[in-house]
Amino acid sequence: DTVLTQSPALAVSPGERVSISCRASEGVNSYMHWYQQKPGQQPKLLIYKASNLASGVPARFSGSGSGTDFTLTIDPVEADDTATYFCQQSWNDPYTFGAGTKLELK
Amino acid sequence: QVTLKESGPGILQPSQTLSLTCSFSGFSLSTYGMCVGWIRQSSGKGLEWLANIWWNDDKYYNPSLKNRLTISKDTSNNQAFLKITNMDTADTATYYCAQSGRWGAYWGQGTLVTVSS
Repeated sequence: DTVLTQSPALAVSPGERVSISCRASEGVNSYMHWYQQKPGQQPKLLIYKASNLASGVPARFSGSGSGTDFTLTIDPVEADDTATYFCQQSWNDPYTFGAGTKLELK
Repeated sequence: QVTLKESGPGILQPSQTLSLTCSFSGFSLSTYGMCVGWIRQSSGKGLEWLANIWWNDDKYYNPSLKNRLTISKDTSNNQAFLKITNMDTADTATYYCAQSGRWGAYWGQGTLVTVSS
C-alpha cells in the first residue's frame, strides 16, 4: 500500500503562513487530495488533484506538488483553521490516507 | 445542496454482518460520472477507504477487505448501501459515506459502529 507520511503537529500564530507536507512512499501522479477535520465533525474536502480548490473553500488554502511530495499551504492562518489536516491519494490501489497533521494556533 | 446521511445499527456482536445505508440528496446516482463511496475512521487505523459504487454500477473495493464487502445502490430512492460480513472488534469505527469517485467531495456526518460481545 502507498504510505502517506505527515508531520504529527504544527503550531502557528494567526496571520502567519503555514505549510503542511505529505510525502508518498511511491508516486501518485497528481492524485493527492487534502481534507480538514474539526473535532466531532466529518472531513471536509479542501483541495483535489494536488492544486484544485474545492467549492466554497477560501482562497487562503492552496495545494502544490506532484509525484511523491505535496504541500498544503494556508496563508494567512485564521483562528478557525484549528483542525487536523489529512492527505489522501487515489492513484494507487488501495486509496490511502495520511495519519493527519494537527494544526494548533498559538 | 448535496447532503448525505448514514444509518446503521450502532452496536453489533463479533461475527455478525454490518448493514449500512447512505441516504443522499442534491445529486442522482443515475447521472453520468456520479459515485458514492464508504470510508471509515477509527482511532487505531485512522481513515480507511472501503468501497465505491458508480452511476453505471461499477464498483471499487479495498483489496484488504474485498472478500467481506458488498456495495450496492437504489437509484430511485437515492440510497447506497454497504454490507460487511464477519465483523470483529477491530472494525469498530465511524463509518462515512461520501459523494466521491477518487476523492470525497461531500461527506455525511458519519455513524458510529461498535463491535462488542
